[in-house]
Amino acid sequence: SAVISQKPSRDICQRGTSLTIQCQVDSQVTMMFWYRQQPGQSLTLIATANQGSEATYESGFVIDKFPISRPNLTFSTLTVSNLSPEDSSIYLCSVEAGWNEQFFGPGTRLTVL
Amino acid sequence: GDSVTQMEGPVTLSEEAFLTINCTYTATGYPSLFWYVQYPGEGLQLLLKATKADDKGSNKGFEATYRKETTSFHLEKGSVQVSDSAVYFCALCHVYKAAGNKLTFGGGTRVLVKP
Repeated sequence: SAVISQKPSRDICQRGTSLTIQCQVDSQVTMMFWYRQQPGQSLTLIATANQGSEATYESGFVIDKFPISRPNLTFSTLTVSNLSPEDSSIYLCSVEAGWNEQFFGPGTRLTVL
Repeated sequence: GDSVTQMEGPVTLSEEAFLTINCTYTATGYPSLFWYVQYPGEGLQLLLKATKADDKGSNKGFEATYRKETTSFHLEKGSVQVSDSAVYFCALCHVYKAAGNKLTFGGGTRVLVKP
C-alpha cells in the first residue's frame, strides 16, 4: 500500500485566483493521477503525471487551466487556475502501488466564491 | 469507451439488513474490477477487487463476484452496520494500457444504515 497526504485539506478562494494542491507519497511511484469530484458526483480523471515527462490530460481538461508538476517520484502538484465557482470540487490524487491497485489521498475540498 | 453503471441511491437500510449494490460495466478485453468506499469527510479507500472472471473479492464482510457473462460486479453484505454508511463506487481498470492504469468510476451509491 501507499500513504498519501494532500495539502491543503480545504480552502476557500476568490474567483480569478489560483490554488496549488500538493500531493506527497511515502514511497517512490511511477504513476500519479489527479481526479476531480464535483459535488454529489463521481470521480473524473483530470490527468496522469509521470516523473520526468509532461502530464497527459483527459478530454475536457487542459494544461493552461490545470498545470501539473511532477518533480520527483514522491511528489506532485496540481494548480487550478483562474478559479470560478464551477471549480468548486474535491480534488484527489492517487498513485499506483502493488499490482493494478490505486490508492487515494484524503482529498482537497475547494470552494470558490 | 469504458463505462460503469451502478444503481442510484440513496439506499436506506436498517441495521443487520442485507445490502446489494448493482454494478455493470462496458469494456473491451478483460478489465480488473474494484469497489471503493468513501466514508463521510474522507477520501476513497479500496474495499475489494477482482482481476479475472469468476474471481470473488471480499473484505470486511463485503463480497463481489466478477461475472463476465453478465458484465457485472455486484456488491453484497449479509448484515450491515451503521458504520457501513458511506458512498460506494464501482470501478474498472485495464491492466495493459501504455498510458497507465486509469480507473473508470461509476456514479456512486450512497448507503445509509439506520440503527
